[in-house]
Amino acid sequence: DAGVTQSPTHLIKTRGQQVTLRCSPKSGHDTVSWYQQALGQGPQFIFQYYEEEERQRGNFPDRFSGHQFPNYSSELNVNALLLGDSALYLCASSLVGGPHYGYTFGSGTRLTVV
Amino acid sequence: AQTVTQSQPEMSVQEAETVTLSCTYDTSENNYYLFWYKQPPSRQMILVIRQEAYKQQNATENRFSVNFQKAAKSFSLKISDSQLGDTAMYFCAFISPEGGSEKLVFGKGTKLTVNP
Repeated sequence: DAGVTQSPTHLIKTRGQQVTLRCSPKSGHDTVSWYQQALGQGPQFIFQYYEEEERQRGNFPDRFSGHQFPNYSSELNVNALLLGDSALYLCASSLVGGPHYGYTFGSGTRLTVV
Repeated sequence: AQTVTQSQPEMSVQEAETVTLSCTYDTSENNYYLFWYKQPPSRQMILVIRQEAYKQQNATENRFSVNFQKAAKSFSLKISDSQLGDTAMYFCAFISPEGGSEKLVFGKGTKLTVNP
């Protein structure tokens, strides 16, 4: 049973560029959430997708956008990258209405903006 | 605002001994869930244990147990018989489904080192 898969594992981008990160949820899960984890910090909620719609959003600017596909996989897009966007980006999946059982996380994408 | 505070940035313990990690949280909600996640160097967040706020009984999972004090809004994790593989970052997290929210709120983490 595959867990949450994220790609790529590492990425280096230049300020001002755009980046797309990808996530495949755990088999049987229909909800995908994205978190940003800065160095030395706990993860911060970016947004959650269910039924191809953004269901909930954290305190992140519009430069952060996402998409969910019919097969439940998801993308996180960040435009006009800033140095401060350097972080580990974690994808987490769950069943809608069931995150209180605990999300399943991927191993993340390490984004470095130079 | 809901917040989670972990006051111990780093801790260490000798192999086979017991260690307790602290966590406090702040919420006005009555129905919520608390978690401890482990993040080893592989970066994947792994669920260690969960607690339902409406349950008085403290959760246990093998060598891991919690001390949940609802009135004090405290949720500590006890690791018994520590093993080298327990070395990791440990994050306390909170979720309150009231109002339809499904986001996890994390603390800043405690780095645990188990020494041989």
